[in-house]
Amino acid sequence: GAVVSQHPSWVICKSGTSVKIECRSLDFQATTMFWYRQFPKQSLMLMATSNEGSKATYEQGVEKDKFLINHASLTLSTLTVTSAHPEDSSFYICSARLQGFSNQPQHFGDGTRLSIL
Amino acid sequence: DAKTTQPTSMDCAEGRAANLPCNHSTISGNEYVYWYRQIHSQGPQYIIHGLKNNETNEMASLIITEDRKSSTLILPHATLRDTAVYYCSPAGSNYKLTFGKGTLLTVNP
Repeated sequence: GAVVSQHPSWVICKSGTSVKIECRSLDFQATTMFWYRQFPKQSLMLMATSNEGSKATYEQGVEKDKFLINHASLTLSTLTVTSAHPEDSSFYICSARLQGFSNQPQHFGDGTRLSIL
Repeated sequence: DAKTTQPTSMDCAEGRAANLPCNHSTISGNEYVYWYRQIHSQGPQYIIHGLKNNETNEMASLIITEDRKSSTLILPHATLRDTAVYYCSPAGSNYKLTFGKGTLLTVNP
């Protein structure tokens, strides 16, 4: 149980393109989803917390107009990297928590490797 | 948010127990301790979590000191597939995890 799916796994695109990444909880409903970014040889950094039906909460230093998050249902959150540039190339990972249960862990997707040329 | 300290790396022989320590001396009273591991180029995998009592599941055991300032993750019989970076993180009611640099556990044949 508690499977989180991310799509796509890999994406390569030209500078200036906008890229959408999907995060789905396959067998549970997730009130809260989280988006992380991981640069090579570094740890995961939380970008934003996404709650179903409300605006995402962004961490300090993360541009909300560049990283658009939508959490329209209890099983789907999307991250759109707008007008991506080479410095946005990174490993983006989402996680989801089981709805209605306190202290339940986050379950992570397998990540999306984004390369901007 | 509470900060954590973990050894940068550890080695363990296959079949032996791996004991991974984590210092979280600034943990708050309502924060649980969560452990995850990350194999290269994959998302983190949940292992175990606890508040103050020791916990055990099919993957590992978690020992939390009485003062809750540190914990130890125990993999009872390490295999080559347990080679990964292991992270500990306190998290409270906002459920936000803080990933430090973690411990690279290398299991040797």
